[in-house]
Amino acid sequence: GESVGLHLPTLSVQEGDNSIINCAYSNSASDYFIWYKQESGKGPQFIIDIRSNMDKRQGQRVTVLLNKTVKHLSLQIAATQPGDSAVYFCAENMSDDKIIFGKGTRLHILP
Amino acid sequence: GAGVSQSPRYKVAKRGQDVALRCDPISGHVSLFWYQQALGQGPEFLTYFQNEAQLDKSGLPSDRFFAERPEGSVSTLKIQRTQQEDSAVYLCASSLGGPGPQHFGDGTRLSIL
Repeated sequence: GESVGLHLPTLSVQEGDNSIINCAYSNSASDYFIWYKQESGKGPQFIIDIRSNMDKRQGQRVTVLLNKTVKHLSLQIAATQPGDSAVYFCAENMSDDKIIFGKGTRLHILP
Repeated sequence: GAGVSQSPRYKVAKRGQDVALRCDPISGHVSLFWYQQALGQGPEFLTYFQNEAQLDKSGLPSDRFFAERPEGSVSTLKIQRTQQEDSAVYLCASSLGGPGPQHFGDGTRLSIL
Protein backbone atom coordinates (compact mmCIF):
# COMPACT_ATOMS: atom_id res chain seq x y z
CA GLY A 1 0.00 0.00 0.00
CA GLU A 2 0.99 3.64 0.04
CA SER A 3 3.56 4.42 2.69
CA VAL A 4 6.37 6.70 3.68
CA GLY A 5 9.48 5.12 5.11
CA LEU A 6 13.08 5.78 6.01
CA HIS A 7 16.23 3.95 4.99
CA LEU A 8 17.96 3.80 8.39
CA PRO A 9 16.44 3.43 11.83
CA THR A 10 19.49 4.91 13.63
CA LEU A 11 22.14 7.42 12.59
CA SER A 12 25.20 8.36 14.66
CA VAL A 13 27.01 11.58 13.79
CA GLN A 14 29.98 13.36 15.32
CA GLU A 15 29.14 16.71 16.88
CA GLY A 16 29.91 19.43 14.38
CA ASP A 17 29.54 17.20 11.33
CA ASN A 18 26.63 17.37 8.90
CA SER A 19 23.76 14.87 9.19
CA ILE A 20 21.77 13.48 6.30
CA ILE A 21 18.52 11.64 6.97
CA ASN A 22 16.81 9.94 4.05
CA CYS A 23 13.23 9.04 3.29
CA ALA A 24 11.48 7.18 0.48
CA TYR A 25 7.84 7.73 -0.37
CA SER A 26 5.58 5.72 -2.62
CA ASN A 27 2.69 8.02 -3.57
CA SER A 28 3.72 9.93 -6.67
CA ALA A 29 0.59 12.08 -6.37
CA SER A 30 1.67 13.58 -3.03
CA ASP A 31 2.45 17.25 -3.38
CA TYR A 32 3.58 18.32 0.06
CA PHE A 33 6.19 16.87 2.40
CA ILE A 34 7.18 17.71 5.95
CA TRP A 35 10.04 16.87 8.28
CA TYR A 36 9.33 16.61 12.01
CA LYS A 37 11.65 16.26 15.00
CA GLN A 38 10.43 14.38 18.06
CA GLU A 39 12.22 14.48 21.40
CA SER A 40 11.51 11.99 24.13
CA GLY A 41 8.18 12.62 25.84
CA LYS A 42 7.17 15.37 23.43
CA GLY A 43 5.05 15.70 20.33
CA PRO A 44 6.52 16.02 16.84
CA GLN A 45 7.91 19.47 16.16
CA PHE A 46 7.74 20.96 12.65
CA ILE A 47 11.20 21.54 11.13
CA ILE A 48 10.76 22.30 7.46
CA ASP A 49 8.44 21.53 4.57
CA ILE A 50 8.61 21.43 0.79
CA ARG A 51 6.07 21.37 -2.00
CA SER A 52 6.39 19.18 -5.03
CA ASN A 53 7.06 22.11 -7.37
CA MET A 54 10.40 22.62 -5.61
CA ASP A 55 13.46 20.39 -5.32
CA LYS A 56 15.26 22.19 -2.52
CA ARG A 57 14.38 24.38 0.42
CA GLN A 58 16.64 25.81 3.09
CA GLY A 59 15.99 26.86 6.64
CA GLN A 60 18.22 27.68 9.55
CA ARG A 61 20.90 24.92 9.52
CA VAL A 62 18.49 22.58 7.71
CA THR A 63 17.94 21.80 4.04
CA VAL A 64 15.33 19.54 2.52
CA LEU A 65 15.89 17.96 -0.89
CA LEU A 66 13.14 16.39 -2.95
CA ASN A 67 13.79 14.06 -5.88
CA LYS A 68 10.44 13.28 -7.47
CA THR A 69 11.98 11.02 -10.11
CA VAL A 70 13.01 8.44 -7.54
CA LYS A 71 10.50 9.52 -4.87
CA HIS A 72 13.18 10.40 -2.36
CA LEU A 73 13.33 13.05 0.33
CA SER A 74 16.28 13.99 2.52
CA LEU A 75 16.94 16.25 5.47
CA GLN A 76 20.37 17.76 5.89
CA ILE A 77 21.38 19.26 9.22
CA ALA A 78 24.51 21.39 9.17
CA ALA A 79 26.99 21.44 12.07
CA THR A 80 25.05 18.94 14.15
CA GLN A 81 24.67 19.88 17.81
CA PRO A 82 23.77 17.83 20.91
CA GLY A 83 20.32 19.43 20.86
CA ASP A 84 19.67 17.80 17.50
CA SER A 85 19.44 14.39 19.16
CA ALA A 86 15.91 13.16 18.48
CA VAL A 87 13.84 10.97 16.20
CA TYR A 88 13.20 12.51 12.79
CA PHE A 89 10.12 11.69 10.75
CA CYS A 90 9.30 12.52 7.19
CA ALA A 91 5.61 12.89 6.43
CA GLU A 92 3.67 12.95 3.19
CA ASN A 93 0.54 14.96 2.60
CA MET A 94 -2.33 12.90 1.32
CA SER A 95 -5.75 14.13 0.30
CA ASP A 96 -7.99 16.11 2.67
CA ASP A 97 -5.02 17.44 4.64
CA LYS A 98 -4.21 13.99 6.01
CA ILE A 99 -0.50 13.22 6.40
CA ILE A 100 1.21 9.85 6.63
CA PHE A 101 4.35 9.45 8.75
CA GLY A 102 7.30 7.19 8.20
CA LYS A 103 8.78 5.07 10.98
CA GLY A 104 11.48 7.56 11.92
CA THR A 105 15.26 7.77 12.21
CA ARG A 106 16.90 8.21 15.60
CA LEU A 107 19.81 10.65 15.41
CA HIS A 108 22.62 10.14 17.96
CA ILE A 109 25.22 12.86 18.41
CA LEU A 110 28.67 11.61 19.36
CA PRO A 111 30.85 13.94 21.48
CA GLY B 1 -0.39 28.88 26.08
CA ALA B 2 -0.09 29.34 22.35
CA GLY B 3 0.39 25.69 21.44
CA VAL B 4 -1.80 22.60 21.28
CA SER B 5 -2.66 21.42 24.78
CA GLN B 6 -3.57 17.84 25.67
CA SER B 7 -4.85 16.43 28.93
CA PRO B 8 -4.23 14.37 30.86
CA ARG B 9 -0.54 13.86 30.09
CA TYR B 10 -0.69 10.36 31.55
CA LYS B 11 -3.63 8.06 32.03
CA VAL B 12 -3.66 4.62 33.59
CA ALA B 13 -6.84 2.57 33.32
CA LYS B 14 -7.89 -0.99 33.95
CA ARG B 15 -8.90 -3.12 31.03
CA GLY B 16 -12.57 -2.63 30.31
CA GLN B 17 -12.78 0.95 31.60
CA ASP B 18 -13.73 3.90 29.41
CA VAL B 19 -11.31 6.81 28.97
CA ALA B 20 -11.62 10.32 27.54
CA LEU B 21 -8.68 12.32 26.20
CA ARG B 22 -8.91 16.04 25.60
CA CYS B 23 -7.30 18.29 23.01
CA ASP B 24 -7.27 22.10 22.97
CA PRO B 25 -6.05 23.19 19.52
CA ILE B 26 -4.34 26.44 18.63
CA SER B 27 -6.93 29.21 18.58
CA GLY B 28 -8.28 29.77 15.07
CA HIS B 29 -7.06 26.49 13.67
CA VAL B 30 -9.72 24.94 11.48
CA SER B 31 -8.37 21.43 11.21
CA LEU B 32 -7.78 19.01 14.08
CA PHE B 33 -6.21 15.57 13.89
CA TRP B 34 -5.82 12.62 16.23
CA TYR B 35 -2.95 10.14 15.94
CA GLN B 36 -1.91 7.03 17.82
CA GLN B 37 1.80 6.41 18.36
CA ALA B 38 3.10 3.04 19.50
CA LEU B 39 6.53 2.82 21.08
CA GLY B 40 9.27 3.16 18.47
CA GLN B 41 6.84 3.90 15.66
CA GLY B 42 5.65 6.94 13.78
CA PRO B 43 2.27 8.49 14.52
CA GLU B 44 -0.65 6.67 12.86
CA PHE B 45 -3.62 8.70 11.66
CA LEU B 46 -6.89 8.08 13.51
CA THR B 47 -9.35 10.80 12.54
CA TYR B 48 -9.65 14.39 11.34
CA PHE B 49 -12.03 17.30 11.79
CA GLN B 50 -12.58 20.45 9.82
CA ASN B 51 -14.33 22.74 12.27
CA GLU B 52 -16.99 20.52 13.87
CA ALA B 53 -17.29 18.14 10.92
CA GLN B 54 -15.51 14.80 11.16
CA LEU B 55 -14.29 14.38 7.60
CA ASP B 56 -12.28 11.20 7.95
CA LYS B 57 -12.38 8.51 10.62
CA SER B 58 -10.83 5.76 8.57
CA GLY B 59 -7.95 5.28 11.02
CA LEU B 60 -10.04 4.51 14.09
CA PRO B 61 -9.12 0.91 15.01
CA SER B 62 -12.59 -0.18 16.11
CA ASP B 63 -16.03 1.07 17.03
CA ARG B 64 -14.77 1.40 20.61
CA PHE B 65 -13.02 4.60 19.48
CA PHE B 66 -15.07 7.74 19.14
CA ALA B 67 -14.03 11.37 18.62
CA GLU B 68 -16.00 14.58 18.69
CA ARG B 69 -15.48 18.30 18.27
CA PRO B 70 -18.94 19.71 18.88
CA GLU B 71 -18.15 23.43 18.72
CA GLY B 72 -15.27 23.29 16.30
CA SER B 73 -12.63 23.93 18.93
CA VAL B 74 -11.88 21.48 21.76
CA SER B 75 -11.96 17.81 20.81
CA THR B 76 -12.35 14.65 22.86
CA LEU B 77 -11.20 11.17 21.91
CA LYS B 78 -13.11 8.51 23.81
CA ILE B 79 -12.15 4.87 24.05
CA GLN B 80 -14.73 2.48 25.43
CA ARG B 81 -14.03 -0.89 27.05
CA THR B 82 -10.28 -0.35 26.81
CA GLN B 83 -8.00 -3.24 25.85
CA GLN B 84 -4.28 -3.68 26.48
CA GLU B 85 -3.53 -3.07 22.80
CA ASP B 86 -4.94 0.46 23.23
CA SER B 87 -1.84 1.37 25.26
CA ALA B 88 -0.02 4.06 23.28
CA VAL B 89 0.60 7.78 23.10
CA TYR B 90 -2.34 9.66 21.62
CA LEU B 91 -1.31 12.82 19.82
CA CYS B 92 -3.47 15.71 18.75
CA ALA B 93 -2.49 18.22 16.07
CA SER B 94 -4.12 21.29 14.58
CA SER B 95 -3.58 23.35 11.46
CA LEU B 96 -5.01 26.31 9.59
CA GLY B 97 -6.45 23.96 6.96
CA GLY B 98 -5.21 23.03 3.52
CA PRO B 99 -1.72 21.66 2.85
CA GLY B 100 0.46 23.02 5.59
CA PRO B 101 2.25 22.04 8.78
CA GLN B 102 0.32 20.45 11.59
CA HIS B 103 1.24 21.57 15.10
CA PHE B 104 1.29 18.85 17.70
CA GLY B 105 0.61 18.65 21.39
CA ASP B 106 2.81 16.55 23.66
CA GLY B 107 0.29 13.74 23.75
CA THR B 108 -1.46 11.62 26.34
CA ARG B 109 0.35 8.43 27.33
CA LEU B 110 -2.33 5.81 27.92
CA SER B 111 -1.50 2.63 29.78
CA ILE B 112 -4.07 -0.14 30.07
CA LEU B 113 -3.44 -2.62 32.86
